[in-house]
Amino acid sequence: GESVGLHLPTLSVQEGDNSIINCAYSNSASDYFIWYKQESGKGPQFIIDIRSNMDKRQGQRVTVLLNKTVKHLSLQIAATQPGDSAVYFCADINQAGTALIFGKGTTLSVSS
Amino acid sequence: IAGITQAPTSQILAAGRRMTLRCTQDMRHNAMYWYRQDLGLGLRLIHYSNTAGTTGKGEVPDGYSVSRANTDDFPLTLASAVPSQTSVYFCASSDITSGGNEQFFGPGTRLTVL
Repeated sequence: GESVGLHLPTLSVQEGDNSIINCAYSNSASDYFIWYKQESGKGPQFIIDIRSNMDKRQGQRVTVLLNKTVKHLSLQIAATQPGDSAVYFCADINQAGTALIFGKGTTLSVSS
Repeated sequence: IAGITQAPTSQILAAGRRMTLRCTQDMRHNAMYWYRQDLGLGLRLIHYSNTAGTTGKGEVPDGYSVSRANTDDFPLTLASAVPSQTSVYFCASSDITSGGNEQFFGPGTRLTVL
Protein backbone atom coordinates (compact mmCIF):
# COMPACT_ATOMS: atom_id res chain seq x y z
CA GLY A 1 0.00 0.00 0.00
CA GLU A 2 0.95 3.62 0.09
CA SER A 3 3.38 4.70 2.72
CA VAL A 4 5.86 7.42 3.16
CA GLY A 5 8.42 7.10 5.87
CA LEU A 6 11.52 8.68 7.23
CA HIS A 7 14.60 6.69 8.10
CA LEU A 8 15.34 8.24 11.47
CA PRO A 9 12.91 9.65 14.01
CA THR A 10 15.50 12.06 15.43
CA LEU A 11 18.56 13.92 14.20
CA SER A 12 20.87 16.05 16.31
CA VAL A 13 23.36 18.46 14.73
CA GLN A 14 25.58 21.35 15.73
CA GLU A 15 24.81 24.86 14.57
CA GLY A 16 26.52 25.53 11.26
CA ASP A 17 26.59 21.88 10.18
CA ASN A 18 24.69 20.61 7.19
CA SER A 19 21.67 18.42 7.95
CA ILE A 20 20.33 15.61 5.81
CA ILE A 21 16.89 14.18 6.46
CA ASN A 22 15.91 11.09 4.52
CA CYS A 23 12.61 9.70 3.34
CA ALA A 24 11.56 6.53 1.53
CA TYR A 25 8.31 6.07 -0.33
CA SER A 26 6.54 2.99 -1.63
CA ASN A 27 4.28 4.27 -4.42
CA SER A 28 6.35 4.12 -7.61
CA ALA A 29 3.63 6.07 -9.42
CA SER A 30 4.05 9.12 -7.16
CA ASP A 31 4.93 12.17 -9.21
CA TYR A 32 4.99 14.87 -6.58
CA PHE A 33 6.76 15.15 -3.25
CA ILE A 34 6.78 17.86 -0.65
CA TRP A 35 8.64 18.66 2.55
CA TYR A 36 7.02 20.34 5.54
CA LYS A 37 8.47 21.81 8.71
CA GLN A 38 6.45 21.80 11.92
CA GLU A 39 7.53 23.83 14.90
CA SER A 40 6.21 23.01 18.35
CA GLY A 41 2.58 24.05 18.78
CA LYS A 42 2.15 25.12 15.17
CA GLY A 43 0.78 23.70 11.95
CA PRO A 44 3.05 22.27 9.25
CA GLN A 45 4.71 24.83 6.99
CA PHE A 46 5.73 24.24 3.37
CA ILE A 47 9.47 24.11 2.73
CA ILE A 48 10.04 22.82 -0.79
CA ASP A 49 8.53 20.45 -3.32
CA ILE A 50 9.76 18.43 -6.28
CA ARG A 51 8.13 16.67 -9.21
CA SER A 52 9.22 13.27 -10.46
CA ASN A 53 10.65 14.70 -13.69
CA MET A 54 13.37 16.33 -11.59
CA ASP A 55 16.09 14.80 -9.44
CA LYS A 56 17.12 17.95 -7.61
CA ARG A 57 15.60 21.23 -6.58
CA GLN A 58 17.11 24.02 -4.54
CA GLY A 59 15.59 26.66 -2.34
CA GLN A 60 16.97 29.03 0.19
CA ARG A 61 19.46 26.92 2.23
CA VAL A 62 17.51 23.79 1.36
CA THR A 63 17.92 21.20 -1.38
CA VAL A 64 15.69 18.25 -2.10
CA LEU A 65 17.10 15.25 -3.93
CA LEU A 66 14.91 12.59 -5.52
CA ASN A 67 16.13 9.12 -6.47
CA LYS A 68 13.28 7.37 -8.23
CA THR A 69 15.29 4.20 -8.77
CA VAL A 70 15.36 3.43 -5.07
CA LYS A 71 12.28 5.51 -4.20
CA HIS A 72 14.15 7.79 -1.88
CA LEU A 73 14.22 11.51 -1.31
CA SER A 74 16.22 13.67 1.02
CA LEU A 75 16.12 17.18 2.40
CA GLN A 76 19.43 18.90 2.86
CA ILE A 77 19.66 21.99 5.06
CA ALA A 78 22.85 24.02 4.72
CA ALA A 79 24.42 25.80 7.67
CA THR A 80 21.76 24.57 10.09
CA GLN A 81 20.55 27.17 12.57
CA PRO A 82 18.77 26.83 15.93
CA GLY A 83 15.62 28.11 14.23
CA ASP A 84 15.66 25.01 12.04
CA SER A 85 14.84 22.87 15.07
CA ALA A 86 11.48 21.29 14.27
CA VAL A 87 9.81 18.13 13.04
CA TYR A 88 10.24 17.57 9.29
CA PHE A 89 7.73 15.59 7.25
CA CYS A 90 7.94 14.30 3.72
CA ALA A 91 4.72 13.67 1.84
CA ASP A 92 3.54 12.44 -1.53
CA ILE A 93 0.22 12.37 -3.35
CA ASN A 94 -2.08 9.42 -2.70
CA GLN A 95 -3.07 7.16 -5.58
CA ALA A 96 -6.42 8.88 -5.99
CA GLY A 97 -4.64 12.21 -6.26
CA THR A 98 -6.90 13.68 -3.63
CA ALA A 99 -4.55 14.39 -0.76
CA LEU A 100 -1.07 14.14 0.65
CA ILE A 101 0.23 11.09 2.47
CA PHE A 102 2.59 12.12 5.26
CA GLY A 103 5.48 10.24 6.76
CA LYS A 104 5.84 10.06 10.52
CA GLY A 105 8.41 12.82 10.79
CA THR A 106 12.02 13.40 11.85
CA THR A 107 12.74 15.66 14.81
CA LEU A 108 15.75 17.87 14.08
CA SER A 109 17.52 19.30 17.10
CA VAL A 110 20.16 21.98 16.57
CA SER A 111 22.54 22.80 19.39
CA SER A 112 24.63 25.95 19.61
CA ILE B 1 -8.20 37.03 8.33
CA ALA B 2 -5.01 35.92 6.60
CA GLY B 3 -4.63 32.30 5.59
CA ILE B 4 -6.43 29.65 7.58
CA THR B 5 -8.00 30.03 10.99
CA GLN B 6 -9.27 27.29 13.26
CA ALA B 7 -11.47 27.43 16.34
CA PRO B 8 -11.35 26.63 19.13
CA THR B 9 -7.63 26.55 19.89
CA SER B 10 -8.22 23.80 22.39
CA GLN B 11 -11.15 22.00 23.96
CA ILE B 12 -11.81 19.45 26.65
CA LEU B 13 -14.91 17.43 25.90
CA ALA B 14 -16.87 14.77 27.73
CA ALA B 15 -17.32 11.48 25.90
CA GLY B 16 -20.62 11.26 24.07
CA ARG B 17 -20.88 15.00 23.44
CA ARG B 18 -21.16 16.53 20.00
CA MET B 19 -18.44 18.90 18.87
CA THR B 20 -17.79 20.95 15.74
CA LEU B 21 -14.32 22.19 14.88
CA ARG B 22 -14.35 25.25 12.69
CA CYS B 23 -12.04 26.08 9.80
CA THR B 24 -12.07 29.16 7.59
CA GLN B 25 -9.73 30.21 4.80
CA ASP B 26 -9.58 33.48 2.90
CA MET B 27 -7.35 32.39 0.02
CA ARG B 28 -10.25 31.23 -2.18
CA HIS B 29 -8.68 27.79 -2.39
CA ASN B 30 -10.97 25.18 -3.90
CA ALA B 31 -9.69 22.22 -1.87
CA MET B 32 -9.77 21.80 1.89
CA TYR B 33 -8.70 19.00 4.21
CA TRP B 34 -8.91 17.80 7.80
CA TYR B 35 -6.06 15.86 9.39
CA ARG B 36 -5.49 14.48 12.84
CA GLN B 37 -2.02 14.29 14.29
CA ASP B 38 -1.13 11.74 16.92
CA LEU B 39 2.25 11.07 18.48
CA GLY B 40 4.16 8.51 16.44
CA LEU B 41 1.58 8.38 13.67
CA GLY B 42 2.15 11.63 11.84
CA LEU B 43 -0.70 13.38 10.04
CA ARG B 44 -3.61 11.28 8.83
CA LEU B 45 -6.31 12.52 6.50
CA ILE B 46 -9.86 12.40 7.89
CA HIS B 47 -11.96 14.05 5.15
CA TYR B 48 -11.36 16.31 2.22
CA SER B 49 -13.27 18.50 -0.19
CA ASN B 50 -12.07 19.33 -3.69
CA THR B 51 -14.69 22.03 -4.22
CA ALA B 52 -17.69 23.56 -2.51
CA GLY B 53 -20.55 21.11 -2.36
CA THR B 54 -18.41 17.95 -2.51
CA THR B 55 -16.62 15.93 0.17
CA GLY B 56 -14.66 12.71 0.32
CA LYS B 57 -13.37 10.27 2.89
CA GLY B 58 -9.74 10.08 3.85
CA GLU B 59 -7.75 7.46 5.70
CA VAL B 60 -9.56 7.71 9.07
CA PRO B 61 -13.12 9.02 8.49
CA ASP B 62 -15.07 6.98 11.04
CA GLY B 63 -16.73 9.07 13.75
CA TYR B 64 -16.34 12.31 11.80
CA SER B 65 -18.43 14.21 9.30
CA VAL B 66 -17.80 17.33 7.24
CA SER B 67 -19.73 19.76 5.09
CA ARG B 68 -18.67 22.28 2.48
CA ALA B 69 -21.49 24.74 1.97
CA ASN B 70 -19.18 27.42 0.57
CA THR B 71 -15.58 27.92 -0.52
CA ASP B 72 -14.30 29.40 2.71
CA ASP B 73 -15.62 27.14 5.46
CA PHE B 74 -15.03 23.47 6.16
CA PRO B 75 -16.35 22.41 9.61
CA LEU B 76 -15.53 19.02 11.11
CA THR B 77 -18.13 17.43 13.38
CA LEU B 78 -17.74 14.69 15.94
CA ALA B 79 -21.28 13.43 16.46
CA SER B 80 -20.53 11.53 19.68
CA ALA B 81 -16.98 12.01 20.86
CA VAL B 82 -14.91 9.08 22.16
CA PRO B 83 -11.56 9.16 24.00
CA SER B 84 -9.72 7.77 20.94
CA GLN B 85 -10.56 11.03 19.18
CA THR B 86 -8.24 12.88 21.52
CA SER B 87 -5.77 14.44 19.10
CA VAL B 88 -4.56 17.61 17.46
CA TYR B 89 -6.66 18.49 14.44
CA PHE B 90 -5.33 20.47 11.51
CA CYS B 91 -7.29 22.02 8.69
CA ALA B 92 -5.54 22.72 5.39
CA SER B 93 -6.37 24.16 1.98
CA SER B 94 -4.84 24.12 -1.48
CA ASP B 95 -5.47 25.50 -4.95
CA ILE B 96 -5.61 22.33 -7.01
CA THR B 97 -6.82 24.09 -10.15
CA SER B 98 -3.42 25.71 -10.60
CA GLY B 99 -1.81 22.27 -10.73
CA GLY B 100 -0.10 22.72 -7.43
CA ASN B 101 -0.46 20.52 -4.41
CA GLU B 102 1.02 22.71 -1.70
CA GLN B 103 -1.29 22.66 1.27
CA PHE B 104 -1.50 25.54 3.70
CA PHE B 105 -2.22 24.54 7.28
CA GLY B 106 -4.06 26.21 10.10
CA PRO B 107 -2.67 26.45 13.64
CA GLY B 108 -4.55 23.38 14.86
CA THR B 109 -7.14 22.51 17.51
CA ARG B 110 -6.08 20.42 20.46
CA LEU B 111 -9.01 18.22 21.50
CA THR B 112 -9.16 16.10 24.63
CA VAL B 113 -12.05 13.69 25.09
CA LEU B 114 -12.52 12.40 28.61
